[in-house]
Amino acid sequence: NAGVMQNPRHLVRRRGQEARLRCSPMKGHSHVYWYRQLPEEGLKFMVYLQKENIIDESGMPKERFSAEFPKEGPSILRIQQVVRGDSAAYFCASSPPGRSWVETEAFFGQGTRLTVV
Amino acid sequence: SQQGEEDPQALSIQEGENATMNCSYKTSINNLQWYRQNSGRGLVHLILIRSNEREKHSGRLRVTLDTSKKSSSLLITASRAADTASYFCATGLSGSARQLTFGSGTQLTVLP
Repeated sequence: NAGVMQNPRHLVRRRGQEARLRCSPMKGHSHVYWYRQLPEEGLKFMVYLQKENIIDESGMPKERFSAEFPKEGPSILRIQQVVRGDSAAYFCASSPPGRSWVETEAFFGQGTRLTVV
Repeated sequence: SQQGEEDPQALSIQEGENATMNCSYKTSINNLQWYRQNSGRGLVHLILIRSNEREKHSGRLRVTLDTSKKSSSLLITASRAADTASYFCATGLSGSARQLTFGSGTQLTVLP
């Protein structure tokens, strides 16, 4: 059972370009979370999705950022018109369905390191 | 300070010694989780403790939770050089839609 798979591992974009980050959750997991980590800091929650639904996007910037988790295929975090401040590591996590949140642990991918030049 | 604040920020010990890291939080929680992150890598889940639990063990790891003081500690016994990493606590908040709130981490260095 492969873990959470993120690609690409490293992504370099020029200012103004679009960045697309992909995340395939663990097999059988239907909950996906995206987090952002700035250098020397902890992870900050961005968005929580289930298949075809955004459940909580309270941590996502209102502009330029969007996320989806389609019925088929990976979850996508999309950043339009990137700026230098978007440079960070973006982590995806997944958790299984049907379990009490009290007992749910999240499994993280290796992250995508985005550098905006 | 933010939810899930680790203390100390950095810790350096000799191999074989025990390492203790602390985490404080502010609001009611459903659970508290500890993660390890090696430099430039993803997070590895270490242990989850529920709000109605006081202590939990997993191998060389011992986690305590004191909800009256809103604090948790992670103890790593008989440390090894391979334990060198950043350690984060993350809280699952009561009533929250499953998001975890992370602290800024403790950087542990175990010297051989």
